[in-house]
Amino acid sequence: KQEVTQIPAALSVPEGENLVLNCSFTDSAIYNLQWFRQDPGKGLTSLLLIQSSQREQTSGRLNASLDKSSGRSTLYIAASQPGDSATYLCAGGVENYGQNFVFGPGTRLSVLP
Amino acid sequence: DTAVSQTPKYLVTQMGNDKSIKCEQNLGHDTMYWYKQDSKKFLKIMFSYNNKELIINETVPNRFSPKSPDKAHLNLHINSLELGDSAVYFCASSLGGGGQEQYFGPGTRLTVT
Repeated sequence: KQEVTQIPAALSVPEGENLVLNCSFTDSAIYNLQWFRQDPGKGLTSLLLIQSSQREQTSGRLNASLDKSSGRSTLYIAASQPGDSATYLCAGGVENYGQNFVFGPGTRLSVLP
Repeated sequence: DTAVSQTPKYLVTQMGNDKSIKCEQNLGHDTMYWYKQDSKKFLKIMFSYNNKELIINETVPNRFSPKSPDKAHLNLHINSLELGDSAVYFCASSLGGGGQEQYFGPGTRLTVT
């Protein structure tokens, strides 16, 4: 059974810091990986999708990487801003699960002004 | 323009009732999903539906049934509601089958009393 861990569970940083969020899967047979943010009481917003043939993706201040051999992904946020405060979820498409996503529990990020 | 929409946003009902949640996407996607996010914020897939092929999460009680009148709509019908069904239900869609980038609706908060 695929299980997903996200470390840290919560993180509080001052504005301007660079930070890294981690995601790991017990079963490294990941097809692809998507990072989302969820604001309180809201739905999920897609941030980045790393396709099966890719190892990383970048969008603005965000960079995500995927190491399939270890089943690990990182989300790097540069020059954090208060508006980045949210819960960040990783989801891996699992080969043996119809390539459907299995979600991590999330990292709750607070960026202090 | 709303990409994935759900109605209602909030639903409060009593145990034993039958209720439906509606989902519509205007992205032209082929696959739609229902997810459940429990009180601990874990997000788990319930169903994926692609071209009349339904993939069911085996842990979902058969009181839950998805209904798709067309490619742009996937409704969730719940019979004999129980207290444990209280959660936030998210609809999502993607172009093609599992493993593609998913777009989420705003969620429906269901409270069973």
